[in-house]
Amino acid sequence: DAKTTQPTSMDCAEGRAANLPCNHSTISGNEYVYWYRQIHSQGPQYIIHGLKNNETNEMASLIITEDRKSSTLILPHATLRDTAVYYCIVRLGVGSGNTGKLIFGQGTTLQVKP
Amino acid sequence: NAGVTQTPKFQVLKTGQSMTLQCAQDMNHEYMSWYRQDPGMGLRLIHYSVGAGITDQGEVPNGYNVSRSTTEDFPLRLLSAAPSQTSVYFCASSPAGPRTEAFFGQGTRLTVV
Repeated sequence: DAKTTQPTSMDCAEGRAANLPCNHSTISGNEYVYWYRQIHSQGPQYIIHGLKNNETNEMASLIITEDRKSSTLILPHATLRDTAVYYCIVRLGVGSGNTGKLIFGQGTTLQVKP
Repeated sequence: NAGVTQTPKFQVLKTGQSMTLQCAQDMNHEYMSWYRQDPGMGLRLIHYSVGAGITDQGEVPNGYNVSRSTTEDFPLRLLSAAPSQTSVYFCASSPAGPRTEAFFGQGTRLTVV
């Protein structure tokens, strides 16, 4: 599984877009990019995932560069409830012995400020 | 819809005691896994299972045993608890395939004194 690199912490003003970067320069062609977040000490919560196209759902958008070596999670209008640790994870895809493993790094602590 | 249920939520053990952390899911997911999270750290994978009767080691398996006799349950056993095993333990489950999300339980806070 490819490793990811994220900034340790970021701040964002309430109501503004939060852009969380992730580097995954060793990602292979069949690995997906996943984002999870963990609020306080709760169990992690799935946000979004993608392979090579940009993705959007009700929570966030995921922008993946054309070379797939980095991505950005965008929370369009951050609220105080979005304060959490955000984890970027790469995970094997179909036909690659996918075992369902998610290997977490240290993540980015996002602090949304009023 | 219960999702992933972990019991107990809190536990205090004495060094050398044994116990089992329970994890049950009602979504018929093939994949289940156990993580531990130490203060200020990310989650580390202990053991995982791709289906009933199949388990494998993760990043930090020492001191823990698992078994998967049914699809629904994936218990984690501490054979002889040590203070270094003081942590928050999370269980997760997900369906097969790459485009799937994992569902996590709310965690078990374990203190070994």
